[in-house]
Amino acid sequence: DTGVSQNPRHKITKRGQNVTFRCDPISEHNRLYWYRQTLGQGPEFLTYFQNEAQLEKSRLLSDRFSAERPKGSFSTLEIQRTEQGDSAMYLCASSSGKKGYNEQFFGPGTRLTVL
Amino acid sequence: AQKVTQAQTEISVVEKEDVTLDCVYETRDTTYYLFWYKQPPSGELVFLIRRNSFDEQNEISGRYSWNFQKSTSSFNFTITASQVVDSAVYFCALSVMMDSSYKLIFGSGTRLLVRP
Repeated sequence: DTGVSQNPRHKITKRGQNVTFRCDPISEHNRLYWYRQTLGQGPEFLTYFQNEAQLEKSRLLSDRFSAERPKGSFSTLEIQRTEQGDSAMYLCASSSGKKGYNEQFFGPGTRLTVL
Repeated sequence: AQKVTQAQTEISVVEKEDVTLDCVYETRDTTYYLFWYKQPPSGELVFLIRRNSFDEQNEISGRYSWNFQKSTSSFNFTITASQVVDSAVYFCALSVMMDSSYKLIFGSGTRLLVRP
């Protein structure tokens, strides 16, 4: 049973550049979540997909952020015109759609550094 | 407002000591879930436990135990006979319901250092 995978694991970019991260959830999970974690803090919710539908977005997700989940499988998170404040760990999680509130399983994260 | 407070920023113990990590939460929901996650230096969040708001029984799993008290809005986590491998950041989290699922509200974490 493979877990949630994220690529790349690390990304260094210059301010103003666009970056895209990918998340591959656990194969039978139809729910996918993105969180952001800054140094010394707990993760903060960004957005949620059920299959291909994006059902919830946090106010933290500015217009420069866009997330997709085509075909309800992997998901991408794009940040346009990056700013230094975007430097953080971006975590992806997935859970199954079975009855009941199941645990969210997290990937290893993508650490973004904006210079 | 929904909120999780982990007042202990960092705890340092010597191996084999018992240690308790505190978690206090606030929510307006009557049904909710509480979680503990472990984040080792590798960075990946590891799920430890989930409890629902209707089940206040304490739980023990090996060296880990959890004390859920609704009256004080607390969900504390105790590690018995700590080991160096327990060194990590531990997060308490609260579920907030969304359409067909929930999102997690995390505390700021407690860094546990177990010294040999």
